[in-house]
Amino acid sequence: KAGVTQTPRYLIKTRGQQVTLSCSPISGHRSVSWYQQTPGQGLQFLFEYFSETQRNKGNFPGRFSGRQFSNSRSEMNVSTLELGDSALYLCASSLTQGAQFKNIQYFGAGTRLSVL
Amino acid sequence: GESVGLHLPTLSVQEGDNSIINCAYSNSASDYFIWYKQESGKGPQFIIDIRSNMDKRQGQRVTVLLNKTVKHLSLQIAATQPGDSAVYFCAENLTGGGNKLTFGTGTQLKVEL
Repeated sequence: KAGVTQTPRYLIKTRGQQVTLSCSPISGHRSVSWYQQTPGQGLQFLFEYFSETQRNKGNFPGRFSGRQFSNSRSEMNVSTLELGDSALYLCASSLTQGAQFKNIQYFGAGTRLSVL
Repeated sequence: GESVGLHLPTLSVQEGDNSIINCAYSNSASDYFIWYKQESGKGPQFIIDIRSNMDKRQGQRVTVLLNKTVKHLSLQIAATQPGDSAVYFCAENLTGGGNKLTFGTGTQLKVEL
């Protein structure tokens, strides 16, 4: 069974640009969450999608957005990039929303974004 | 508020010894805890989880202990191997928090030959 796939693996952008990252969850998984990982702030939750709806959101500015498609694939977008947005962006998938039953989240290898 | 902290940023152990990685959490509403291992250039890899109605859970060479009284979590790795070298994160999930995980800062485990 294929794991969580994130594309691209590496990206270099300049300030002010916008970027879109993609995540394909494990087959059958319907929940996708996004995290930002930096040396200074560690792993921080961005948002969670389930059934094409955002179910949870972290403390990030509105420049960070996402969506989920009917096949559970997800994209996140960052507009008007800032230097501080340089980070490893990780996607995690799980079977369900986790409301009633907890379920394991499996992570992809991430997309390394560098903003120059 | 939510916070998950680790006591030690770096842990060095000899190959074959047991490793203990600690984690403190502050939110008593957390009901699910997970340990992840992250190797360089890779995403976090699930190791073991535990729910708040348990105080111990064992896996292959790993044991997680949960002390809700002092809000403390630990990961024990038996017979540590060079392949165990990585950064280990604890994460907590709040009741009603969906799949949102709050991560600790991480502990770098170094296995010396």
